[in-house]
Amino acid sequence: EDQVTQSPEALRLQEGESSSLNCSYTVSGLRGLFWYRQDPGKGPEFLFTLYSAGEEKEKERLKATLTKKESFLHITAPKPEDSATYLCAVHGTGTASKLTFGTGTRLQVTL
Amino acid sequence: GAVVSQHPSRVICKSGTSVKIECRSLDFQATTMFWYRQFPKQSLMLMATSNEGSKATYEQGVEKDKFLINHASLTLSTLTVTSAHPEDSSFYICSAKGQLDQPQHFGDGTRLSIL
Repeated sequence: EDQVTQSPEALRLQEGESSSLNCSYTVSGLRGLFWYRQDPGKGPEFLFTLYSAGEEKEKERLKATLTKKESFLHITAPKPEDSATYLCAVHGTGTASKLTFGTGTRLQVTL
Repeated sequence: GAVVSQHPSRVICKSGTSVKIECRSLDFQATTMFWYRQFPKQSLMLMATSNEGSKATYEQGVEKDKFLINHASLTLSTLTVTSAHPEDSSFYICSAKGQLDQPQHFGDGTRLSIL
């Protein structure tokens, strides 16, 4: 059974204070690891897909990296508008099209 | 691109009412659509997976007669909560994906409140 564990559960940063969110996973053959951002009362918004160890993707202040056991979402010089819950999900070879989600990291960025 | 529209965004109704939620992919063809339920401060719980023209596949513990899913076209799926009761109150979110390993794109969810 695929499993995803995200840490920390919650993170509070000051504006400009860079940090990283962790996503540890176990999967029977990785077809893709996905990062989403979810604002309160909204559906998740797609950020990145990573397919193989060593891969990196960037978008504005966010950078996602992948190893064989975990993924990191690095946030550089965050702004208050980056406050959201960040979800990590994996798609394993044994699960058709289903994603297994972690419980997310709630990020709050203050002035 | 990859926009998924979900309606309505909020429903408040009496116990015993049936409620239909629509999920549309606006700018791509969705070979597969998914329905999730999310409780406060928890992650998404997959309820069912549907492919266009096929019967939905329900996750263990999800009552297929309570949560009716129809995926009649490559751009539309509906979830009907039949004879809803207060315990069915929740945030329901749909997602859609195109071919193979493309990501799932999510609608903005429906807040269902049963009085």
